[in-house]
Amino acid sequence: AQSVAQPEDQVNVAEGNPLTVKCTYSVSGNPYLFWYVQYPNRGLQFLLKYITGDNLVKGSYGFEAEFNKSQTSFHLKKPSALVSDSALYFCAVRDVSGNNRLAFGKGNQVVVIP
Amino acid sequence: KAGVTQTPRYLIKTRGQQVTLSCSPISGHRSVSWYQQTPGQGLQFLFEYFSETQRNKGNFPGRFSGRQFSNSRSEMNVSTLELGDSALYLCASSASSGGRNEQFFGPGTRLTVL
Repeated sequence: AQSVAQPEDQVNVAEGNPLTVKCTYSVSGNPYLFWYVQYPNRGLQFLLKYITGDNLVKGSYGFEAEFNKSQTSFHLKKPSALVSDSALYFCAVRDVSGNNRLAFGKGNQVVVIP
Repeated sequence: KAGVTQTPRYLIKTRGQQVTLSCSPISGHRSVSWYQQTPGQGLQFLFEYFSETQRNKGNFPGRFSGRQFSNSRSEMNVSTLELGDSALYLCASSASSGGRNEQFFGPGTRLTVL
């Protein structure tokens, strides 16, 4: 069974500082990995994905993520955080078995302090 | 393109009643998945439909069911509602099932069971 761990409940960062949200995964076979963001009372918004190829993936709003197969990690990063980045971030994984079933982490609340 | 739409956005029901939620995917998308989001359990996969066929089902009781129509619109039904069914129900659409495409989420239906 596939699973995701997001070890931190909340990440606090000062505006302008680098932001990192951690994610590790477990899946049989090769993973497809995703990051989503959720603002209050909204659905999930897609940020980026890793399917294959370069380990560094660039996504929306200046976010990027690095796939590390040996550490089974897919950490989300942003070089300079904005107050508007304050939201709930979810990492998700699915295997390549042929369906769209996503396993999500518990989510990380990111608070960017002005 | 219009995004994923879900109706209604809010619902209040009482225990024992049943409810039907609707989801219209992005035009051209044939896969629709449903997820339940609660503070305690996080995001959990309910089921996926592709070309009117259920592709995968999560670990939920038989009170939770769904279907997909020929125009790819999907409905989800919950019978004999319980207090624990109170949640945000999210629908996600994708161009394919099991491919490299990401899923796009709707705003959700907030169900409250009294």
